[in-house]
Amino acid sequence: DTAVSQTPKYLVTQMGNDKSIKCEQNLGHDTMYWYKQDSKKFLKIMFSYNNKELIINETVPNRFSPKSPDKAHLNLHINSLELGDSAVYFCASSQLAKDEQYFGPGTRLTVT
Amino acid sequence: QKEVEQDPGPLSVPEGAIVSLNCTYSNSAFQYFMWYRQYSRKGPELLMYTYSSGNKEDGRFTAQVDKSSKYISLFIRDSQPSDSATYLCAFMDTGRRALTFGSGTRLQVQP
Repeated sequence: DTAVSQTPKYLVTQMGNDKSIKCEQNLGHDTMYWYKQDSKKFLKIMFSYNNKELIINETVPNRFSPKSPDKAHLNLHINSLELGDSAVYFCASSQLAKDEQYFGPGTRLTVT
Repeated sequence: QKEVEQDPGPLSVPEGAIVSLNCTYSNSAFQYFMWYRQYSRKGPELLMYTYSSGNKEDGRFTAQVDKSSKYISLFIRDSQPSDSATYLCAFMDTGRRALTFGSGTRLQVQP
């Protein structure tokens, strides 16, 4: 069984569109994250969400918003997509008491 | 000064070699140290996790942490072609719940 899953795997869209990426974890973890990996493969935290509370919100444009319907899901909504948003987006999860984070397979977003 | 420095490689070694991967860091608040492996077009996979200075061994992998020098290493013994991937060091401080990653070292093990 997949521990952390993301959909879609690939997303190609035009500038100005609004899109969502879904993430689900079946590990029973209570903290979920979104990371962005740019073209140089550098991974950087965007958001951290615990128990319906946004813990970390790094310097990310407010066009990006995390939405957590329940503890097992953390979706990423992106409004008014720009060319610079093209990247691979990874979801991760951890148990708050531990710090080991487990990553999903990634969503490759291409904005044209 | 960058918070984390990691040589991007690529590092090319013959099969069976011992591989040494390294990261230095500047943030004294980092208390948890991890190594992730990332295959092309896949998500990072946790390899090693430690929170104390010294060595931790798991099969062919040994993680080494020197907090006084702010230096961590990952050693891979008897390297295999299947070890060819990008290796990312990662750090967490006690105040945040997010990882700070190095830029990754690309490793190629030649058969």
